[in-house]
Amino acid sequence: NAGVTQTPKFQVLKTGQSMTLQCAQDMNHEYMSWYRQDPGMGLRLIHYSVGAGITDQGEVPNGYNVSRSTTEDFPLRLLSAAPSQTSVYFCASSPRVVSNQPQHFGDGTRLSIL
Amino acid sequence: DQQVKQNSPSLSVQEGRISILNCDYTNSMFDYFLWYKKYPAEGPTFLISISSIKDKNEDGRFTVFLNKSAKHLSLHIVPSQPGDSAVYFCAASAGGNEKLTFGTGTRLTIIP
Repeated sequence: NAGVTQTPKFQVLKTGQSMTLQCAQDMNHEYMSWYRQDPGMGLRLIHYSVGAGITDQGEVPNGYNVSRSTTEDFPLRLLSAAPSQTSVYFCASSPRVVSNQPQHFGDGTRLSIL
Repeated sequence: DQQVKQNSPSLSVQEGRISILNCDYTNSMFDYFLWYKKYPAEGPTFLISISSIKDKNEDGRFTVFLNKSAKHLSLHIVPSQPGDSAVYFCAASAGGNEKLTFGTGTRLTIIP
């Protein structure tokens, strides 16, 4: 059981480049989300999805796009990378059949923007 | 505006003793609280949770206490073990919503 899988684990980009962070889960979870972790800031919610075809913004959505075409995948896109987006990104998922279920996190993607 | 606060960035505890990690919140709509544990280069791992209808929840060595009037929760680890050395995040949500608000974390070091 792989759980939540994030790729790549590390990435270095130049300012203005675009890229997609991949997230896949094999637990048939309806809810998926993206967080970023910065020093002294904890984890902050970027975007989330309550099911295929449904996405919404979190606390810090600017500069990021998401889509949810399948239950399993929830990619995060940076259209034009900026140094302020240097961070560690975590994807998480949880079932929705019962509320207040803990979220399962992937191991993160460490992204550096030069 | 930090709605979930962990005011101690770090804590050192002797092996075998009790570790107490604290968390304060300001949003009175929060009704579900969780603790996550994080090792370096790994994602956060769920540890224990508590609903606002309770004031205590236990799971083995881990107990979470909730004081709603003070908007304060704490995580007790007894006895502390070297493998407990990690960063601990407090998180909260409101109304059955999966959107979590995290604190800034406390780095716990267990001294052998």
